Amino acid sequence: AQSVTQPDIHITVSEGASLELRCNYSYGATPYLFWYVQSPGQGLQLLLKYFSGDTLVQGIKGFEAEFKRSQSSFNLRKPSVHWSDAAEYFCAAAAYNQGGKLIFGQGTELSVKP
Amino acid sequence: GAGVSQTPSNKVTEKGKYVELRCDPISGHTALYWYRQSLGQGPEFLIYFQGTGAADDSGLPNDRFFAVRPEGSVSTLKIQRTERGDSAVYLCASSSAGGYNEQFFGPGTRLTVL
Repeated sequence: AQSVTQPDIHITVSEGASLELRCNYSYGATPYLFWYVQSPGQGLQLLLKYFSGDTLVQGIKGFEAEFKRSQSSFNLRKPSVHWSDAAEYFCAAAAYNQGGKLIFGQGTELSVKP
Repeated sequence: GAGVSQTPSNKVTEKGKYVELRCDPISGHTALYWYRQSLGQGPEFLIYFQGTGAADDSGLPNDRFFAVRPEGSVSTLKIQRTERGDSAVYLCASSSAGGYNEQFFGPGTRLTVL
């Protein structure tokens, strides 16, 4: 069955520290991969996406993610976290032949310490 | 331009009642998606429209759930004989053509079944 796993439910980092959020997927073939952010009272916002090509993708707000086929992973990173990055982060995947139907991980809640 | 809008933002109903949730997609977007997000979980796919037709309704949990998009724009998600387990945030998203195109999410409708 197709699935997306985010192993960390909650992560706390200090402001200015680096961040890595983990995501693993299980699909028959490499899916399209996405990271979304959800802030309280806000809708889901796309941070970045991977379809093919360069395995390191850049997104908005200084985020990047690296696709590793051998590990079935698509981890999200940021070199220096800002207090405004505190939010819920979702990894999602879509099979190429399913019309964009997204399967989401359960999310990682990020807290930022001053 | 306007984003995806959903009405109502909150809906409280009693067990056994019928509810309708409305989604107004971004103008010109042909693909429309419904997801359901339970507390502490990632969004879960319900149904996908391409134009007026439901291209994939595999996520609808049972026959109490039904969705329509009669003119290829506004969509309504209908839930009959609501149960307490239906309580969740119902999210709508639209994209320009489905597939791997970015989905833009609305703020959601929070449904509470008492």
